[in-house]
Amino acid sequence: QSVLTQPPSVSGAPGQSVTISCTGSTSNIGAGYDVHWYQQLPGTAPKLLIHDNINRPAGVPDRFFGSKSGTSASLAITGLQAEDEADYYCQSYDSSLTGWVFGGGTKVTVV
Amino acid sequence: QVQLKESGPGLVKPSETLSLTCVVSNDFLTSEHYWGWIRQTPGKGLEWIGIINLSGRTYYNPSLQSRVSISLDTPNNQLSLSLASVRATDTAVYYCATVEWMEVWGSSPRVSDWGQGTLVTVSS
Repeated sequence: QSVLTQPPSVSGAPGQSVTISCTGSTSNIGAGYDVHWYQQLPGTAPKLLIHDNINRPAGVPDRFFGSKSGTSASLAITGLQAEDEADYYCQSYDSSLTGWVFGGGTKVTVV
Repeated sequence: QVQLKESGPGLVKPSETLSLTCVVSNDFLTSEHYWGWIRQTPGKGLEWIGIINLSGRTYYNPSLQSRVSISLDTPNNQLSLSLASVRATDTAVYYCATVEWMEVWGSSPRVSDWGQGTLVTVSS
């Protein structure tokens, strides 16, 4: 069981929007630690998608939005495209565990 | 953009030491970053192993700290990982990474660049 909880899977039709939740606790997200999101396409290494809760690195489409509130964070994908089929992971820092924590990952399927 | 490439044995026997090397391209070992290792298993997902900066400051995952060592060879642009007394649960894809971290309250370390990963299987 991961410290950060994500739904195992979400799906949507092309053009629709999906949202992935990342639920933590008062020792990580709720303590104010930044949340980052990674996209992992099949057979490849993860890639940084959102950093510091809301920021997109250069080259990441503006269809990806990050947000954070309380002990949770979310990743929204608007205008879903076939190329968005991937696993998505959230990550933060935990003061009780004195280290990084990851979510278990969410598989996005474009139906 | 920095290029990272891991290398090492794909098969390690239980109780032995896993040793991996990562070559960092284009003299990208700079003081602004940490460098580290992360692994991924089907069962446990992504797990950070540890990070090191140019000053040699290290942070290790508490669950692995007694078995792990990370070092930098800056003249040769190499990062190394050593994991002792391996068991089957250490079977994973191991990634080399550049890590950005401000080390101030609220800041979480993040991986800005990943290597392609190397699969290490622990089996007799």
